[in-house]
Amino acid sequence: EIVLTQSPGTLSLSPGDRATLSCRASQSVSSSNLAWYQQKPGQAPRLLIYGASSRAYGIPDRFSGSGSGTDFTLTISRLEPEDFAVYYCQQYGSSPLFSFGPGTKVDIK
Amino acid sequence: QVHLVESGGGLVKPGGSLRLSCAVSGLTFGDWYMAWIRQTPGKGLEWVSHITSSGDATYADSVKGRFAVSRDNARDSLYLQMNSLTAEDTAVYFCAREYYKRFDPWGQGTLVTVSS
Repeated sequence: EIVLTQSPGTLSLSPGDRATLSCRASQSVSSSNLAWYQQKPGQAPRLLIYGASSRAYGIPDRFSGSGSGTDFTLTISRLEPEDFAVYYCQQYGSSPLFSFGPGTKVDIK
Repeated sequence: QVHLVESGGGLVKPGGSLRLSCAVSGLTFGDWYMAWIRQTPGKGLEWVSHITSSGDATYADSVKGRFAVSRDNARDSLYLQMNSLTAEDTAVYFCAREYYKRFDPWGQGTLVTVSS
């Protein structure tokens, strides 16, 4: 079973700051099988990044993903007010077929 | 624009059953794998089940033998039959299109509360 760990649990930043979020897997994950989501209160998660580094349709280029193997990173280059939210990584693998990390909350400092 | 709308959530007693529905519009439903994912404050996001375009289903160990996913391509609808419910099944349940090993888009979710 592949377990995803995200750090930090909470990131307190100001608009305009750079945010760096980490997702670590307990076993190697193919880059094509790693995605990132954004969730705002009362809303469903929204796909941001797939294949570790490809932006989903309509996602601004301030969002970028990188990494391979067991270490993946989501970077928001300059935080906009609407970016304060919870971010989850997700992998596709064996058992369970899919799993999610516990999330990183980006809140306003 | 793709739109998914869940329904059927509510309050159910332990040991009871509930059937969730997900109405899909804006895409050729029968072409796509679909999934159910649930979210609790304590356990976060948990994949529950998926169903292929041809109707083959896979389940998380936590629901195997109790939940059954199905689809009606003529009605553009996805279903989740949940039996033998326990407090641990209390969650917001989302349906989502499974798109090449990722989920996009998601419905708004429906709350299931298992309590006596």
